[in-house]
This record gives sequence, C-alpha cells and structure tokens, in this order.
Amino acid sequence: AAGVIQSPRHLIKEKRETATLKCYPIPRHDTVYWYQQGPGQDPQFLISFYEKMQSDKGSIPDRFSAQQFSDYHSELNMSSLELGDSALYFCASSFAGEITDTQYFGPGTRLTVL
Amino acid sequence: AQTVTQSQPEMSVQEAETVTLSCTYDTSESDYYLFWYKQPPSRQMILVIRQEAYKQQNATENRFSVNFQKAAKSFSLKISDSQLGDAAMYFCAYLGIGDYKLSFGAGTTVTVRA
Repeated sequence: AAGVIQSPRHLIKEKRETATLKCYPIPRHDTVYWYQQGPGQDPQFLISFYEKMQSDKGSIPDRFSAQQFSDYHSELNMSSLELGDSALYFCASSFAGEITDTQYFGPGTRLTVL
Repeated sequence: AQTVTQSQPEMSVQEAETVTLSCTYDTSESDYYLFWYKQPPSRQMILVIRQEAYKQQNATENRFSVNFQKAAKSFSLKISDSQLGDAAMYFCAYLGIGDYKLSFGAGTTVTVRA
C-alpha cells in the first residue's frame, strides 16, 4: 500500500539558512499534519491542513510557514534556522471520511542545523 | 490540553513472553480516539493499534491487544509472544473528536531479550 512520502530524508543546513520540507500524503487523503520530534522526545504538533486550508496550529515558530497545495501535497518552509531546529520532522496524513481520523506517518526528514 | 502519561520509561521482555505497557490520559471529553504507535530504531512512526472510546470491546491486532478502561482513563498495550522485531519505542497517543493534534505520551522503550 502507498505510504506518506517525505523529501528530502536528510537535510543539513547552516544557521540562518532556509529549508523546505515536502510531504506527499497517501492517495485520497485530504488532511496533512506536521510534527517535530527532538532527540529523546515525543513528537510535537506543529500545524495541520484540511482541504488546503489551515485547520489547526500548534507550537510552530513564526519563522516557519506551511501550506497545502491543490494536489494535497504540503511544504514546510523554515527560515532563519537555529541550532535548536535540528530535529526529525514528520508529516502525517489522514482521510476525513474515516471514522477514527487515523494519522499515518511518513518516514520523516532529519534536519541538522550546523 | 489533554495529558497523556506513560509511567514506564523502559520495559524489558524475554522473547516469546508477554509485556504490558501502561498509559493513562486526562480528558473531560466523553468521546475520543486512542492509539499506540511504534518507533523502531529507524525512527519511522508505525501505527500499532487504535481504539474508539465509544466502543467497549478492546481492540486487537494479531499479537497486540489493549485493555481500555474508560472510567479509569487507562489504555494499556499488551504484546504477546514478543519477537525481536518488537524492540522499539512505543508511544501512546490521544485524539479528540474533531481535533487535529495528536497528544503523545513520553514513550516507553521496549527491549526484547533473545
């Protein structure tokens, strides 16, 4: 079965640079979520989109922005990167018509800020 | 905000034996969803099992089963016939009806001894 695709899988950036993470949801899924997982921590919710509209917002820094496009893929844009932004970034997707709204996670993008 | 508590940072189990992971949560809602996710060393987040709060019957997926005690707000995961491939971090997660944000516990690391 098709899964959530994230690219790139690994990314190394310098401080103050920008990064763009991409997420391609499971076909037919209409909702996308972004989570950040620091070392030894549980995933923290950043933001979500349903039918290309922002549906919820968590602890996402103002330096970050995201959007969902007409083909339902999503991009997380991160500017003025800081050392503390080094983390594993997960994208998840779900289908609103499913009863349990189960979120299926992608493999993650490991961002390292030097 | 909902709080999810996993009180066991680490659990160890002998291969072929059974291990139970505990999870408690705090909510004022009467209906919601609960999940267990597995995160192996690859860091991929894999859905293990899910439970709808309105269902009294405990969910089961092959060797994985839950003990859902709604009044006690408890949601434990039992892994039967443990296998080496079960070694991972296990996260308990809560999702409110109509919510987008998954609230995770801190995780329990499961080690399987051969």
